[in-house]
Amino acid sequence: EDQVTQSPEALRLQEGESSSLNCSYTVSGLRGLFWYRQDPGKGPEFLFTLYSAGEEKEKERLKATLTKKESFLHITAPKPEDSATYLCAVQGGSEKLVFGKGTKLTVNP
Amino acid sequence: DVKVTQSSRYLVKRTGEKVFLECVQDMDHENMFWYRQDPGLGLRLIYFSYDVKMKEKGDIPEGYSVSREKKERFSLILESASTNQTSMYLCATGEVTYEQYFGPGTRLTVT
Repeated sequence: EDQVTQSPEALRLQEGESSSLNCSYTVSGLRGLFWYRQDPGKGPEFLFTLYSAGEEKEKERLKATLTKKESFLHITAPKPEDSATYLCAVQGGSEKLVFGKGTKLTVNP
Repeated sequence: DVKVTQSSRYLVKRTGEKVFLECVQDMDHENMFWYRQDPGLGLRLIYFSYDVKMKEKGDIPEGYSVSREKKERFSLILESASTNQTSMYLCATGEVTYEQYFGPGTRLTVT
């Protein structure tokens, strides 16, 4: 059974304090790993897709990386507007995505 | 930009009522999905559809049904709403091996 575990559950940072979020996964035949951002009361917003180990994607202060067992979302010099819940999901052999429970990030000014 | 719209942002229904949640997408995607999201449980797949009039059960289909008569429209039906169906309902659309795009969600309260 495909599984995704995200850590930590919650993370508090000061503005400018860089850190990383972790997404560990087990899947039979990875077809894609996806990162989403979700603001309170809203639907998840797509950020990145990673397809193979070694791949990296960047968007503003965010950088996602992928190994054979985990993905990291690196946040460089975060700002308060980066506060959100970040979700990781994997797609294995079916059309379904399996989501982790998310990391709630709070960036204090 | 992909646009996924859901019929209501907030909905309050009584126990036993039949509830319809509608989702419309403008990207001509084959696949559409219904999830519910609850604190501590994350996103759970209820049903998905990979073509018109086709549907597949997700992880938690009990108490729900779906309808897809047109490619752009996917409806979730609660035949007899119960209080344990109080949740945030999210519709998504996408293609196989590509990202899914989510709607804004419907916060359903069943009293």
